[in-house]
Amino acid sequence: DSGVTQTPKHLITATGQRVTLRCSPRSGDLSVYWYQQSLDQGLQFLIQYYNGEERAKGNILERFSAQQFPDLHSELNLSSLELGDSALYFCASSGGDGRSYEQYFGPGTRLTVT
Amino acid sequence: KNQVEQSPQSLIILEGKNCTLQCNYTVSPFSNLRWYKQDTGRGPVSLTIMTFSENTKSNGRYTATLDADTKQSSLHITASQLSDSASYICVVSGRDGGSQGNLIFGKGTKLSVKP
Repeated sequence: DSGVTQTPKHLITATGQRVTLRCSPRSGDLSVYWYQQSLDQGLQFLIQYYNGEERAKGNILERFSAQQFPDLHSELNLSSLELGDSALYFCASSGGDGRSYEQYFGPGTRLTVT
Repeated sequence: KNQVEQSPQSLIILEGKNCTLQCNYTVSPFSNLRWYKQDTGRGPVSLTIMTFSENTKSNGRYTATLDADTKQSSLHITASQLSDSASYICVVSGRDGGSQGNLIFGKGTKLSVKP
């Protein structure tokens, strides 16, 4: 158990809908990262937050947004969903200084768009 | 262009055998290289992290090597077990080691260990 929690585990929704994925980092970790992993694809970095502020941006679509709250949990919002958004979405967290090498991954949320 | 290439794409071995996975990168400047193990449908788990000055690091039956001159790394698995069946991902970080903006992910090697 990495100490990173993600909810929900599974999500099934229809095209055009909006969903919110939630992540709680390990106790004491200030950085949260979001990744997308489509079937048989590598991990794609979406966005990183550090202590509530956006730190780095990857291949995140404009339909997607994220935020990190004062209690350090993070939410990833996906809107106007398309079939191609079906994927595993992982959250990871890392050490307090934001420069720790180690990232701890959560169990993921499997999103299915029908 | 910063890239991380892993080979082979997939590998099947018999239980008890050894195997070696390769990772070549073009990321420069280099800060650190990480190997992750990802079971199907689960989050990746870190196996090793090596900085520029380290050329080998072990974690149980897993041994990673790094040649920063040739920009190559390998992950050697000894006496494989069925539970080693997973994808192994190589991740290279640029100068700002912790900043996500400089993390380059390989596509992974899918290892299957058969009884």
